[in-house]
Amino acid sequence: SAVISQKPSRDICQRGTSLTIQCQVDSQVTMMFWYRQQPGQSLTLIATANQGSEATYESGFVIDKFPISRPNLTFSTLTVSNMSPEDSSIYLCSVDPGGADTQYFGPGTRLTVL
Amino acid sequence: TQLLEQSPQFLSIQEGENLTVYCNSSSVFSSLQWYRQEPGEGPVLLVTVVTGGEVKKLKRLTFQFGDARKDSSLHITAAQPGDTGLYLCAGGGGSNYKLTFGKGTLLTVNP
Repeated sequence: SAVISQKPSRDICQRGTSLTIQCQVDSQVTMMFWYRQQPGQSLTLIATANQGSEATYESGFVIDKFPISRPNLTFSTLTVSNMSPEDSSIYLCSVDPGGADTQYFGPGTRLTVL
Repeated sequence: TQLLEQSPQFLSIQEGENLTVYCNSSSVFSSLQWYRQEPGEGPVLLVTVVTGGEVKKLKRLTFQFGDARKDSSLHITAAQPGDTGLYLCAGGGGSNYKLTFGKGTLLTVNP
């Protein structure tokens, strides 16, 4: 398993600004994922962020809007750029420590854009 | 594209009742995970099943993976208010270790 922390836990932002979300893992992991979740709904994968390679984005998500950094095996950031109210959501990072299709999630960042 | 159909979407029951949540697909998955998520928190892994026909028990929760590895069920016996939450199934075996998530079942257990 893995213990994951995220910062900030929540934020309220103005439209047009950007927010960077941090994800810290207590062990070295290769595979890390970023998701978006509307309250009470399921998860939508934004991108896969494996250390040593460029992030791979899912359909509907682009690097200019959601730039991701993965400087080492325990840390990643997701930036939500030029925010609009439609970006209001919960953002979650997860890791798959063993490559066994089992992911462990952080507590999430609740973002509200006014 | 692999899809997981999860049902029911919403479930509100009284304490002590039993319930079953279903997760179905036309695709074969190498594994299937069940998560529970409480408000304000991230999903917490409950179980991973990998073998067709496999049954796992976790206290009052029973998980089953279909023989063909296309479907799964979660059965809760004598539900308690602490079981309240969003239950998510997720299928493994996708490219780059991605998971396919169902739409979730929002369970409310009333005291």
